[in-house]
Amino acid sequence: GENVEQHPSTLSVQEGDSAVIKCTYSDSASNYFPWYKQELGKGPQLIIDIRSNVGEKKDQRIAVTLNKTAKHFSLHITETQPEDSAVYFCAASLGYNYGQNFVFGPGTRLSVLP
Amino acid sequence: ETGVTQSPTHLIKTRGQQVTLRCSSQSGHNTVSWYQQALGQGPQFIFQYYREEENGRGNFPPRFSGLQFPNYSSELNVNALELDDSALYLCASSLAGRDNEQFFGPGTRLTVL
Repeated sequence: GENVEQHPSTLSVQEGDSAVIKCTYSDSASNYFPWYKQELGKGPQLIIDIRSNVGEKKDQRIAVTLNKTAKHFSLHITETQPEDSAVYFCAASLGYNYGQNFVFGPGTRLSVLP
Repeated sequence: ETGVTQSPTHLIKTRGQQVTLRCSSQSGHNTVSWYQQALGQGPQFIFQYYREEENGRGNFPPRFSGLQFPNYSSELNVNALELDDSALYLCASSLAGRDNEQFFGPGTRLTVL
């Protein structure tokens, strides 16, 4: 089955700097890759996603890149702010025909220092 | 806010008991998935329901069962609770065929003593 690895497990950056989180997946059939932000005591919140027919997607300060050949995708956050501090999860999915089974990475705890 | 609600917020049970957790999907969503999130880990897929039938299951034993109702609300039932069942239980709703997006509720924190 699918296996998703995520690095680093913790990341500290100064406010205004950029943060990069990297994930790899094992199943080449996976075609949907969402990123979730989870704050303390809350459920995961979808922040950006990318599909296998796209190499890059950007939404304001957040961008995601996908390399299907290497089977890895990355989250880039620019101009980080203290409110970006949270745990970030990447996930991979085979799509809705497979019951939308998301396989999540173990998470990255991002701390943005003021 | 996603519009997905879960109840209760917290729950404490003892080993061997049974528990029912509830989820109300986002308006218009016909698919619900349940996940277990142990402390410090990513969510793990339990199962998904579509049109009131199970539509995919992860590596969880049969004592984890579910229901989806005609109004698309859902229940997760766990029998014979074990200490390792202590976790945050998340439901996520989606619209089948709609771009795979899943929207999570705030979760129910279950503690098994």
